[in-house]
Amino acid sequence: QKEVEQDPGPLSVPEGAIVSLNCTYSNSAFQYFMWYRQYSRKGPELLMYTYSSGNKEDGRFTAQVDKSSKYISLFIRDSQPSDSATYLCAMSANFGNEKLTFGTGTRLTIIP
Amino acid sequence: GAGVSQSPSNKVTEKGKDVELRCDPISGHTALYWYRQSLGQGLEFLIYFQGNSAPDKSGLPSDRFSAERTGGSVSTLTIQRTQQEDSAVYLCASNPTGAKGSPLHFGNGTRLTVT
Repeated sequence: QKEVEQDPGPLSVPEGAIVSLNCTYSNSAFQYFMWYRQYSRKGPELLMYTYSSGNKEDGRFTAQVDKSSKYISLFIRDSQPSDSATYLCAMSANFGNEKLTFGTGTRLTIIP
Repeated sequence: GAGVSQSPSNKVTEKGKDVELRCDPISGHTALYWYRQSLGQGLEFLIYFQGNSAPDKSGLPSDRFSAERTGGSVSTLTIQRTQQEDSAVYLCASNPTGAKGSPLHFGNGTRLTVT
């Protein structure tokens, strides 16, 4: 069993819909949780990161962490075609200068 | 400013040949990471450099894989006697030392195909 599980999709939703992306994990030492966005043939770029449990909002994006359930989510409101990409969750016991453990990524398409 | 630069962007090689992949991190970033991204497998950690030393090379899949970093800057990942299962995108990332909360900055990767 992988340390981090993520549904690979693909996921297609109409423009303007709310998107929910999720990961589960097994390592209780993980404290830092990140979401990366990766466009085709590009490197991943950091969207959001959160520490421990709770919510964090940044514009149309909301990240949630539930450490008791070992479950993290990324919500995208008012989705746009430019949000079409692969979304990767990542986590670590520390943040900065430590290897991240990634999910497999969910491929998202927003249909105009 | 310039981001993480990787070369070549694409590499096709025959099984059994050696390949060298290059990473030029963001200037001033002392931490450098190599990851491998295979279809359906997500990003797999290979090796981490702090300056020129590699405190964590636990992800290198076999002794055919090696990496070095010189001058605290450019890094090369070498794969000897390539196999078809080495086909993947090899990603390099960097971030500043000791900067908790600093994200990894990724390059666009080298797409390696072993025929």
